[in-house]
Amino acid sequence: GNSVTQMEGPVTLSEEAFLTINCTYTATGYPSLFWYVQYPGEGLQLLLKATKADDKGSNKGFEATYRKETTSFHLEKGSVQVSDSAVYFCALSETNRDDKIIFGKGTRLHILP
Amino acid sequence: ETGVTQTPRHLVMGMTNKKSLKCEQHLGHNAMYWYKQSAKKPLELMFVYNFKEQTENNSVPSRFSPECPNSSHLFLHLHTLQPEDSALYLCASSQVDLGGNEQFFGPGTRLTVL
Repeated sequence: GNSVTQMEGPVTLSEEAFLTINCTYTATGYPSLFWYVQYPGEGLQLLLKATKADDKGSNKGFEATYRKETTSFHLEKGSVQVSDSAVYFCALSETNRDDKIIFGKGTRLHILP
Repeated sequence: ETGVTQTPRHLVMGMTNKKSLKCEQHLGHNAMYWYKQSAKKPLELMFVYNFKEQTENNSVPSRFSPECPNSSHLFLHLHTLQPEDSALYLCASSQVDLGGNEQFFGPGTRLTVL
């Protein structure tokens, strides 16, 4: 089946630093790719998504590009803020199952003021 | 109400109690999900209801019993739980006949089993 691997956390950065959270995947077919974010005490929220190769998803200054050749979907942000502190989940849709998403283990991000 | 709502937000129960978690989605979606999120463990998919038919049951113990009376409501009935069942239980919904199939999550119910 499909699977997602993302970098272990926690990741600690200073405010205004550049952020990269790596995500690679294994899949048959052409899955959609997602980044979800979970703020403390809340459920998961969709941050951005890409549905086909070379698509770039973006939202709130975050970006990720669907790279089929490297099976990657790395999350980046040019200048992080304290309010970006959260857990970030990379995910992909299961092949031939529109009702199932496979999540990575999550990466906790701490931003220091 | 908008999005996906869950009640209660916090629940403490003894091992012999029976309780239910409720989820309601106000998005007109046709699929609903229960996930379990434990500390230091990956997000675990428990149950999937697609058009009110259960399409996934990931070897969940029978002390967890889901119910989906219609496409907007989902329940998780709990009985004789164990302390290791303490976790955040997340409900989600999606529209499965559209491409991209993103899921929308509720805020979760924080369950503590004593």
